Amino acid sequence: DAGVTQSPTHLIKTRGQHVTLRCSPISGHKSVSWYQQVLGQGPQFIFQYYEKEERGRGNFPDRFSARQFPNYSSELNVNALLLGDSALYLCASSLTQGPNTGELFFGEGSRLTVL
Amino acid sequence: AQKVTQAQTEISVVEKEDVTLDCVYETRDTTYYLFWYKQPPSGELVFLIRRNSFDEQNEISGRYSWNFQKSTSSFNFTITASQVVDSAVYFCALSGNRGKLIFGQGTELSVKP
Repeated sequence: DAGVTQSPTHLIKTRGQHVTLRCSPISGHKSVSWYQQVLGQGPQFIFQYYEKEERGRGNFPDRFSARQFPNYSSELNVNALLLGDSALYLCASSLTQGPNTGELFFGEGSRLTVL
Repeated sequence: AQKVTQAQTEISVVEKEDVTLDCVYETRDTTYYLFWYKQPPSGELVFLIRRNSFDEQNEISGRYSWNFQKSTSSFNFTITASQVVDSAVYFCALSGNRGKLIFGQGTELSVKP
């Protein structure tokens, strides 16, 4: 069975551009979460979607947005990229809404470099 | 405020040594979950364990064991007889509200042959 898949795996953008990252959860999983991991730090929570609705949001500016589609896949969009947005973006899926009730499965991430 | 602290940034051991990774957390919740994840160079976070706040029993899984002590807000992870394949960054995490995980800064473990 396929795990959580993310695309693209690597990408390079310049300041001011926008980026779209994609995530396909494990089949049957209805929840998708996004995390940002800056080099040398732990992942930071950005968003959680469950049943196509936003259920949680971390301390990130409005330049960050996301959505979940009817097939439970998800996109993370970042506008007006800054150098500080360079990071590994991780997607996680789970059967239920939160880690209190289920295990989170992570993808390998999309590594974004902003020049 | 909720917080996870992994004071050890890097640990280096020789194969077959035992190693303990420390994790201290802060939360005002009475019900919460604690996790350990392993992150190899590929980047994927691999789930190792989830423990709820009401279960203070230590757990052993093969060479891995976890010591949860609510009195000291610690959830330490021990690898017995370490192997080169154990080399990775290990993260401790705490369940927060709104469905999120709060991660520590990670401990990079290097096991040398």
